Amino acid sequence: AQTVTQSQPEMSVQEAETVTLSCTYDTSENNYYLFWYKQPPSRQMILVIRQEAYKQQNATENRFSVNFQKAAKSFSLKISDSQLGDTAMYFCAFMNLENRDDKIIFGKGTRLHILP
Amino acid sequence: GAVVSQHPSWVICKSGTSVKIECRSLDFQATTMFWYRQFPKQSLMLMATSNEGSKATYEQGVEKDKFLINHASLTLSTLTVTSAHPEDSSFYICSAGQPPTYEQYFGPGTRLTVT
Repeated sequence: AQTVTQSQPEMSVQEAETVTLSCTYDTSENNYYLFWYKQPPSRQMILVIRQEAYKQQNATENRFSVNFQKAAKSFSLKISDSQLGDTAMYFCAFMNLENRDDKIIFGKGTRLHILP
Repeated sequence: GAVVSQHPSWVICKSGTSVKIECRSLDFQATTMFWYRQFPKQSLMLMATSNEGSKATYEQGVEKDKFLINHASLTLSTLTVTSAHPEDSSFYICSAGQPPTYEQYFGPGTRLTVT
């Protein structure tokens, strides 16, 4: 069974700083997607970034980038020039493409506070 | 991007009654939708997979007779919490995927309070 582990329950950084959220996962599959989702206080889940396992190049979306280390099964999220609006719960998530059920497995989340 | 709506956003019901939550994909068709439950400050827990035109698939430990799921059309799935009790109070979230990207679009959630 696949598992997703986020070892940082809570983090705080000053506005404009860079912060990295950690995520490790366990799977025996080769074909999968990894995601970072953001859940702000409104509780609406928002996709931040997605990484296809077959791609070696790390995904980037504006201020958000990932460090995908497939052999180490690590998938960290870096937020550059952090903004107050980045304050949210961040979930790392895994989708196994081999079984075609589209299920997403979430980590326990990291609560990120951006301080003014 | 694709939009998923949920209704109601917040519902209060009395213990022993049933409550229905709707999940709609507004601008795309979804053969599969997912229902999650989220307790305060916790992660999303997958409850079931809702399949259009067939029975839902429930995750281990989820009571299928308590959480009835109906996926009557390609844009609507409903979750009915039957004989609700205070311990059913939670935040319920649905999601739907739009092929072929596998990206899941989430509804805004429904807060259920059982008194």
